[in-house]
Amino acid sequence: GQNIDQPTEMTATEGAIVQINCTYQTSGFNGLFWYQQHAGEAPTFLSYNVLDGLEEKGRFSSFLSRSKGYSYLLLKELQMKDSASYLCAVRDQLASNYQLIWGAGTKLIIKP
Amino acid sequence: DSGVTQTPKHLITATGQRVTLRCSPRSGDLSVYWYQQSLDQGLQFLIQYYNGEERAKGNILERFSAQQFPDLHSELNLSSLELGDSALYFCASSPDRGNQPQHFGDGTRLSIL
Repeated sequence: GQNIDQPTEMTATEGAIVQINCTYQTSGFNGLFWYQQHAGEAPTFLSYNVLDGLEEKGRFSSFLSRSKGYSYLLLKELQMKDSASYLCAVRDQLASNYQLIWGAGTKLIIKP
Repeated sequence: DSGVTQTPKHLITATGQRVTLRCSPRSGDLSVYWYQQSLDQGLQFLIQYYNGEERAKGNILERFSAQQFPDLHSELNLSSLELGDSALYFCASSPDRGNQPQHFGDGTRLSIL
């Protein structure tokens, strides 16, 4: 079946580094997306991984290991505005029209 | 600004009523997706249209329906509304059938009294 697991909530300190993990089980993996969603707002696209390795984009990096069914989002130099939910979504080529399978999201709380 | 426009931003109505939510995708995007997000819950995929045709269905209730028009805007119709339908409804669009990231509109917050 299809399943995505993320921690429900994490807390980190302003200026620090935090790693948000995502593990998945799909039959036809075809890419993984990370989105950021502030409370009551729309999800915004952060990163995309389809091959193993690290993708870096400013303070945010995303890593993928297809053999382990594992990804993480790394946030550096945390700022208060990074307090948000982070959604992991996997594209499954065996799902109807390559649909995204969404995780429930990780709520990240940044403390001063 | 994602380029995806949703109207209205807020909608308050009563049980048993019917409402229509509207979405204009980003210029050039052919796919439109509808999602429901209840309070403190994850995104629930409802339905996808590509260039006017239904492409995929998720957990969409029979009371709900959608369509995509020739100008590519889409409407989500919710009927016989129940208290549990109160949620944020997001529309997202992408250029193709699913290889590119989806970009989300600001959502319509539906409150059923």
